[in-house]
This record gives sequence, structure tokens and C-alpha cells, in this order.
Amino acid sequence: EIVLTQSPGTLSLSPGERATLSCRASQSVSSSYLAWYQQKPGQAPRLLIYGASSRATGIPDRFSGSGSGTDFRSGTDFTLTISRLEPEDFAVYYCQQYGSSPRTFGQGTKVEIK
Amino acid sequence: EVQLVQSGAEVKKPGESLKISCKGSGYSFTTYWIGWVRQMPGKGLEWMGIIYPGDSDTRYSPSFQGQVTISADKSISTAYLQWSSLKASDTAMYYCVRQGGSGYYLPFDYWGQGTLVTVSS
Repeated sequence: EIVLTQSPGTLSLSPGERATLSCRASQSVSSSYLAWYQQKPGQAPRLLIYGASSRATGIPDRFSGSGSGTDFRSGTDFTLTISRLEPEDFAVYYCQQYGSSPRTFGQGTKVEIK
Repeated sequence: EVQLVQSGAEVKKPGESLKISCKGSGYSFTTYWIGWVRQMPGKGLEWMGIIYPGDSDTRYSPSFQGQVTISADKSISTAYLQWSSLKASDTAMYYCVRQGGSGYYLPFDYWGQGTLVTVSS
């Protein structure tokens, strides 16, 4: 099972600031199979990024994803960046790998208002 | 418009059985995998398993194998998650999710609104 570790656990920032969230895998994940989800209180999660860097339908371009590794097709370190935080972006973010079974999620990063 | 509409909240006693549902609409139900995700109170997301309604091919996370049963009735575009004997530790929000295509390795592009299951004596 691939374990995903997200850091930091909580990110305290102000609107307009840049947020950088990290997701590290215990073993290589194909860059095609890493997603990011956003969950607001009392709501279901929604897909933001898939394939490590492709935005889902309707997702603003202030959200971007990237991955790193010696092979562009795989890696263990992934990043979600929110270029300028809007009030509606304060939420919990989860990474997920879907390239091997069982699918696994990171434990989440909470982005809170400073 | 793609929608996954889940059944309502449930309150059950330990040892009771339960079956919750997820009705898909706005797309071809038989050609997309449907899965279930658990979220315990105040905790993160856990993938439980997935089913392909077209042929009922079902896969489970090892953590949930033998603990739950996933099924689907393609005639009414509905997927199910069921327990034969609930435990207090099954108390959680359960989301149904659609994978973004007929392929197996795809993200979850649509989520149901969630079904809260409370198990308490």
C-alpha cells in the first residue's frame, strides 16, 4: 500500500498570499495518477487536480499541481500551489494516488485564515 | 448534469444490518466505476472499494474486505454499500464517488452528498 504524507498539517495564511502544500509518497507514483481534492466544512470533497498537474473542469487557474522525480512519468513528491488565496479557498486539501490498489489518500492539510 | 444522490442519514444499533444507496443520473451508469469513501468524524478520507456496474466487477480495499459489501443494480442506476452487523466504529460519513471514465485508474470526478451513519446503543 502506498502511504501519502501531507505537510504541513495546518497552513495559516492571509487572503492574497501564496499557499504551497506538499504530498510525499512512500513509493513511486506515476505522475499520471496523483489527484488533489478540496473539502469545505459540511461538504463533500471536490476534484481540483488530476494527473498531478491537470485542472479539473471549472477549477480556477490559481490552482496548480506539480510533481517531481527522476522520471517525468513517476515520482514521490507532489505539490499543490494556490497562487493567491481567495476567501473561498480556506479548506482542507487531500492528495490521492489512484495508480495502485488500494487507492490511498493523504491525511490532509488544513489551510486556515491567519 | 451528472448527479450522485445518496440515501438519507441512518441511526442504528450495534449488530443491526444496513444498506445505503447512491443513485446516479446524467450519464451512462453502466460505463463508469462507482466507489465508496469513508470519513470518520473529524478524520480524513479512506477508500473502501469500487464496482463496475456494467458487469458487477468489484474490488475492495484490504481494510474493508469482508466488512462491507458493495453492489449495484444497473436497471435503476443505483449502487449500494451494506453491512451485515454494524459496530460503533462504523459511525462515519460515507460518500459514493464516480471515477472519471471506464478505465480503472482514474480520479473521482463526482461525489455524492454523503450519508451519515451513526451506530450507537
